[in-house]
Amino acid sequence: QVQLVQSGAEVKKPGASVKVSCKASGYIFTSYGTSWMRQAPGQGLEWVGWISGYNGNTNYAQKFQGRVTMTTDTSTSTASMELRSLRSDDTAVYYCARDDSSAHSVYWGQGTLVTVSS
Amino acid sequence: QSVLTQPPSVSAAPGQKVTISCSGSSSNIGNNYVSWYQQLPGTAPKLLIYDNDKRPSGIPDRFSGSKSGTSVTLGITGLQTGDEADYHCGTWDSSLNARVFGGGTKLTVL
Repeated sequence: QVQLVQSGAEVKKPGASVKVSCKASGYIFTSYGTSWMRQAPGQGLEWVGWISGYNGNTNYAQKFQGRVTMTTDTSTSTASMELRSLRSDDTAVYYCARDDSSAHSVYWGQGTLVTVSS
Repeated sequence: QSVLTQPPSVSAAPGQKVTISCSGSSSNIGNNYVSWYQQLPGTAPKLLIYDNDKRPSGIPDRFSGSKSGTSVTLGITGLQTGDEADYHCGTWDSSLNARVFGGGTKLTVL
């Protein structure tokens, strides 16, 4: 069965960086892309960006350009997202999700809480 | 300030029907497929509807989706207390070159 397992919760200080990983299993990792979304407390979903499992091509939301880097390791079927220069409003649950056709996602990770606080 | 607009909350009694709207523009809903997600408290979103009106396997036919122009609607019939959750619409925005979502709608089953 398809599973996406994310790394654990993080607490960071403003200005620091965080890297969240997402290990995939149950499907051919290189046949799908991975999207990253986040959800601030009490808010809706926000798309952070996407990375191809095939060739590592990326597409970042304009809001995060220059602050985010997404990578994949096909040997371990793992996608990762690094967000730099953290601010308090980056506090959110970050989700990875397998990208299916027509911009929807059937499979999601369990979420990783990133807390940014001094 | 989400790109797609949803009502913050809706409510209905058990057994009744409820609809949740999601409006956008020609660059997103008007020309792309829409999906709907159910999010129970403390859990990841779960896909309910994709390609405007298709249900993944395992999703009961109490859930339905429809589209008209630049708006979509999620319908839920035979409401159950277990349906209490947040519901999110999402699609691709061709102008932003990005996935976009609504702000989410909290469903209360009274």
